[in-house]
Amino acid sequence: EVQLVQSGGGLVKPGGSLRLSCAASGFDFGSYWMHWVRQAPGKGLVWVSNINTDGSSSTSADSVKGRFTISRDNARDTLYLQMDSLRAEDTALYYCTRGGAYDAFDIWGQGTMVSVS
Amino acid sequence: SYELTQPLSVSVALGQTARITCGGNNIGDKRVHWYQHKPGQAPVLVIYGDDNRPSGIPDRFSGSNSGNTATLTISRAQAGDEADYYCHVWDYRLPVVLGGGTRLTVL
Repeated sequence: EVQLVQSGGGLVKPGGSLRLSCAASGFDFGSYWMHWVRQAPGKGLVWVSNINTDGSSSTSADSVKGRFTISRDNARDTLYLQMDSLRAEDTALYYCTRGGAYDAFDIWGQGTMVSVS
Repeated sequence: SYELTQPLSVSVALGQTARITCGGNNIGDKRVHWYQHKPGQAPVLVIYGDDNRPSGIPDRFSGSNSGNTATLTISRAQAGDEADYYCHVWDYRLPVVLGGGTRLTVL
């Protein structure tokens, strides 16, 4: 079964750090771009960051640039999001997702909650 | 930066046709994807590349894209279609852009 299983997240104080993980199975992980998308309480989906297939290139939204780092380990079929200098406004449900045809987000993780307070 | 505009809400009578729009400058030159997001669940891709349905998505869902507007059309609307819908534009020259989302209510 093609799936993404997320772990990590939780409650952290402002200025703290967390690392999210996203384990892929059922497909050739190293052949796909990967993304993180978040949803703050009561708000819409917002793209956070993406990374290319071999991890050599990534981009991030301005709101997290310089604080969040996306990475991947293709040997472990796992995507990561290192979140540093966390702020209250980073409180959200975070999803990892796969970029399929035309980079459409065709597979999603179950989501993991990050609360900064 | 490239901006996408979606209506905050759309209502449709049960069994009728709902149309959700996504506006953007020359969006017709880009590829548009649509996601359905229900509370407590992960989003689901319902249309990709303007008008393609992933496996398992009913043919009641269709998409079109031209000029400055892309449209998601849901025919024969059902109660189970109530959700938030988001458009997503792909253009290799642009950063990833998602619309603000539209709440669909089936009356």
